[in-house]
Parts: sequence; C-alpha cells; structure tokens
Amino acid sequence: DIQMTQSPSSLSASVGDRVTITCQASHDISNYLNWYQQKPGKAPKLLIYDASNLEMGVPSRFSGSGSGTDFTFTISSLQPEDIATYYCQQYDNLPTFGGGTKVEIK
Amino acid sequence: QVQLVESGGGVVQPGRSLRLSCAASEFTFSGYAMHWVRQAPGKGLEWVAVISYDGSNKYYAGSVKGRFTISRDSSKNTLYLQMSSLRAEDTAVYYCARARTGTDAFDIWGQGTMVTVSS
Repeated sequence: DIQMTQSPSSLSASVGDRVTITCQASHDISNYLNWYQQKPGKAPKLLIYDASNLEMGVPSRFSGSGSGTDFTFTISSLQPEDIATYYCQQYDNLPTFGGGTKVEIK
Repeated sequence: QVQLVESGGGVVQPGRSLRLSCAASEFTFSGYAMHWVRQAPGKGLEWVAVISYDGSNKYYAGSVKGRFTISRDSSKNTLYLQMSSLRAEDTAVYYCARARTGTDAFDIWGQGTMVTVSS
C-alpha cells in the first residue's frame, strides 16, 4: 500500500494568511494526487485533482502543486469559510488518504 | 441535480451483517466506477472498496477484504456494500463516491450513512 504522510495535522492562522499543507507519498505517484475539503458533519468536497487542477467552481485562492512523492496544497488568503479539515488522496494504486489537516482561525 | 443518497445504516451487533445502498440520480451511473469510503468517529477518511463501471472488477481495503462485498445494479442505478462479520472497528460513517473517469478523483459524494457496531 502507498502511505500518504500529511502535515501538519492542525494549524491556526489569521484571516488573509497564506496557508500551506504538504503531503508526502511513500512511493512515486506521478501526479495522481487529489485534495479534498471536509467541513464538520459534511461529506468531503473535491478541490484539486491531478495535483494541480482546480475543480470547477472552487475559488482560485486554492491551489496545488507537486509530482512524484512531494505535494503542496495552498490557500493564498485564508477566509473564515475555509475552516475545515483538508485531505490528500493518491490514486496511483488503490486509493489512500492522508491523515488530514485541521485548519482553524487564530 | 447529480446526487448520491446512501441508506441502510444503523446499529448492529458484532458478528452480524448489514447491507448499505447508494442511489444515484441525474447521471449515467453505468459509466462510472464507484467507491465506498468510511470515516470512524473523530478520525480521518479510509477508502473501503471500488467497483468498475461495469461491475467486472472489484477491489477492497485489507481491513475489510473477505468480509465486505461491493456490487452494483445498473438497472436500479444503485451501488451496494454488503458487510458481514462486523466488528466494533467498522463503526463509521460510510460514504459512496463517484470516481471521475480517468482520474479516480471522487467528484460526487453522498451524505453518508452511520453504521454502529455494538452489543
């Protein structure tokens, strides 16, 4: 199984801050990496697919980059509605998720 | 609109069985691979199983292999998860999700159904 190590597990930032989350794969997964947002009590929502492609309707302050084993997810200017837990997910082999990053407002 | 609606969750004793359903609407169900993903209370997401668009291929997470069976009925636009020999650690919200063709990005999710395994 491909393991996904996501960090940090939680972070606190101010409105308007740049927020960065990383995900490291145990093996080369090319660009087979997606990012999701999950708000409490809700199903996850796809934000970024294939490492860097913004899902339709998702604000442009969200972005993703990386390939191989190292990936980055960025919120360029944190907004109050971005409070959520974010997950990476690889699909090079059977899907696996990172452990999640809980984003809070400072 | 494009939608997935799960049902069938509930409280079940350890060792018993339960079948979850996921009804799809407003898209060509038979054209997409479908997945089950679960989330234990307060924990992260765990992929459970996938079935190909035509039902010919099925794969499972090691934690459920041999106990869970994924299936689909395209005439009913419905995905299923038959769960047997249930354990306390299977307690979770179970989501069905559609996989976008070519990317395995889960672009449509159901609202989830809670399964509690307890005596």
